[in-house]
Amino acid sequence: GESVGLHLPTLSVQEGDNSIINCAYSNSASDYFIWYKQESGKGPQFIIDIRSNMDKRQGQRVTVLLNKTVKHLSLQIAATQPGDSAVYFCAEATNFGNEKLTFGTGTRLTIIP
Amino acid sequence: DTEVTQTPKHLVMGMTNKKSLKCEQHMGHRAMYWYKQKAKKPPELMFVYSYEKLSINESVPSRFSPECPNSSLLNLHLHALQPEDSALYLCASSQGPWDTIYFGEGSWLTVV
Repeated sequence: GESVGLHLPTLSVQEGDNSIINCAYSNSASDYFIWYKQESGKGPQFIIDIRSNMDKRQGQRVTVLLNKTVKHLSLQIAATQPGDSAVYFCAEATNFGNEKLTFGTGTRLTIIP
Repeated sequence: DTEVTQTPKHLVMGMTNKKSLKCEQHMGHRAMYWYKQKAKKPPELMFVYSYEKLSINESVPSRFSPECPNSSLLNLHLHALQPEDSALYLCASSQGPWDTIYFGEGSWLTVV
């Protein structure tokens, strides 16, 4: 079946360095992708989104890249801080809007001081 | 303001109990959602309400009963749950089906 998956379950990055979290998706009909950050004991927090008519979108310290050819998206976090430590999920919207978000398995990002 | 408020934060209930989880948003959002998240797993969709009507039920067992009393409130009524139903239950809302979904902090449910 269709799925949204992540390449790495864990990632450790030195404070101040940049981090890249990857996500693969298999539903070629998906046209909306979202990155969420979930800290321990909290609900998912929206970070950034991108639609399939774009290749790149930037936010504050974050950039999402979408490669539709290989069905891959990534989240880049610049100058990581201790507060960036969390689990990051990519999510994929199905055909009829994002009512049916499908989440990937998540990557735990740990920032090393 | 992108706040979705869930109560209670923690709930312990027996398998014969009846309890409810509550969710509230005052952002004027017209779509509200219930997700279930087990430990170390991604959230899984349970129900979607759009304009106060149930639009999606992801084959959730009938021991979970959603209710949308008005556009700001969403309840999840719980009855005869099993220990495997213990999880974090997340409420979310969005302006519409194509808009960003914002999550609450969740209600931690333990069934004993």
